Amino acid sequence: NAGVTQTPKFQVLKTGQSMTLQCAQDMNHNSMYWYRQDPGMGLRLIYYSASEGTTDKGEVPNGYNVSRLNKREFSLRLESAAPSQTSVYFCASSGLDTRGNTIYFGEGSWLTVV
Amino acid sequence: QKEVEQNSGPLSVPEGAIASLNCTYSDRGSQSFFWYRQYSGKSPELIMFIYSNGDKEDGRFTAQLNKASQYVSLLIRDSQPSDSATYLCARKGASYDKVIFGPGTSLSVIP
Repeated sequence: NAGVTQTPKFQVLKTGQSMTLQCAQDMNHNSMYWYRQDPGMGLRLIYYSASEGTTDKGEVPNGYNVSRLNKREFSLRLESAAPSQTSVYFCASSGLDTRGNTIYFGEGSWLTVV
Repeated sequence: QKEVEQNSGPLSVPEGAIASLNCTYSDRGSQSFFWYRQYSGKSPELIMFIYSNGDKEDGRFTAQLNKASQYVSLLIRDSQPSDSATYLCARKGASYDKVIFGPGTSLSVIP
């Protein structure tokens, strides 16, 4: 049982380049999320998708776009990367189960923009 | 005002003591609350969730929720060095609502 899988794990980009972070979950969850984590800032929500076909902005959406491709997959795109987007990115999913609406996280993607 | 606030710490407690972590939230529509633990370089892992006023116990962990005061806490009894980590508090509204995290509290348990 893979849970939440995100790729790539590490990436270095030059300012202005674009890239897409991929995320897939195999738990049949309706909701999926993208967070970024910076030192001392906790997890900040970028975008989330409450169900297939819907996406909504979170706390820090500027500079990002998302696609909920199907129920399993939720991608995050940086169209023109900036050094301020250097961060650790976590994809997550949630669905009603015995642990409430618990969020399950992927292992994280370390992104550096130079 | 951030939706979810926590003392950033670091909080230091001796081994065997009780660690008390606190969290406040601003949205009275919040229904579910979560405590996650995160080790350095790792993804967050769930410790407990709570949605009813009062206490909820799971082993050495007790979560406390007071919706009137918009306050959630986590007590860790018999703290161990392996409990040294960052603890994240989170809130969720309705079933399909977004989940918002606080900035986290760093806990250090001293042997």
